[in-house]
Amino acid sequence: DTAVSQTPKYLVTQMGNDKSIKCEQNLGHDTMYWYKQDSKKFLKIMFSYNNKELIINETVPNRFSPKSPDKAHLNLHINSLELGDSAVYFCASSQINSPLHFGNGTRLTVT
Amino acid sequence: QKEVEQNSGPLSVPEGAIASLNCTYSDRGSQSFFWYRQYSGKSPELIMSIYSNGDKEDGRFTAQLNKASQYVSLLIRDSQPSDSATYLCAVSGRDDKIIFGKGTRLHILP
Repeated sequence: DTAVSQTPKYLVTQMGNDKSIKCEQNLGHDTMYWYKQDSKKFLKIMFSYNNKELIINETVPNRFSPKSPDKAHLNLHINSLELGDSAVYFCASSQINSPLHFGNGTRLTVT
Repeated sequence: QKEVEQNSGPLSVPEGAIASLNCTYSDRGSQSFFWYRQYSGKSPELIMSIYSNGDKEDGRFTAQLNKASQYVSLLIRDSQPSDSATYLCAVSGRDDKIIFGKGTRLHILP
């Protein structure tokens, strides 16, 4: 029943490791997003895909690579994790000019 | 750089009173405006969306938009302790990029 689901919910890893977060939506939306929320709760857009095509790519280190195998899925792979990558990562989906529907978030802790 | 500005708070309001949350944005081409509520440890949830100038009411919530002043607000009537949360203003432009403000923490005093 879950509209936007992302896994895992928690991710604890060491510096230098590579990790992935997966996201799926069953709302039939054309656009999917990754947002990062830092410790001060600021929600910042990272990437946006429309129908599997990358349309927004904010100033994000190359270590972050999104992949969209189809319009219902958007995954985020992070290479060589750093302490500053610790945050909550939210996946979201929407139609054009419509509200975002968020997943439950993935809390990433890099030690 | 497109920006969305909010007062970070905390904004303390007595139970039963009206809470008023404000937001300004820099991009005159912005077309869609949203208010989200976020409880600690949870994901943002949509409260209101507004697309044209004026007021839009939904239960205890009223969103107000003034495009000339680049200003959007949210009023919460008859505030309840359960309204205590962070309120995020979000704005979408012609590029469909949805930008968030840093949020206002609202605390309803019982």
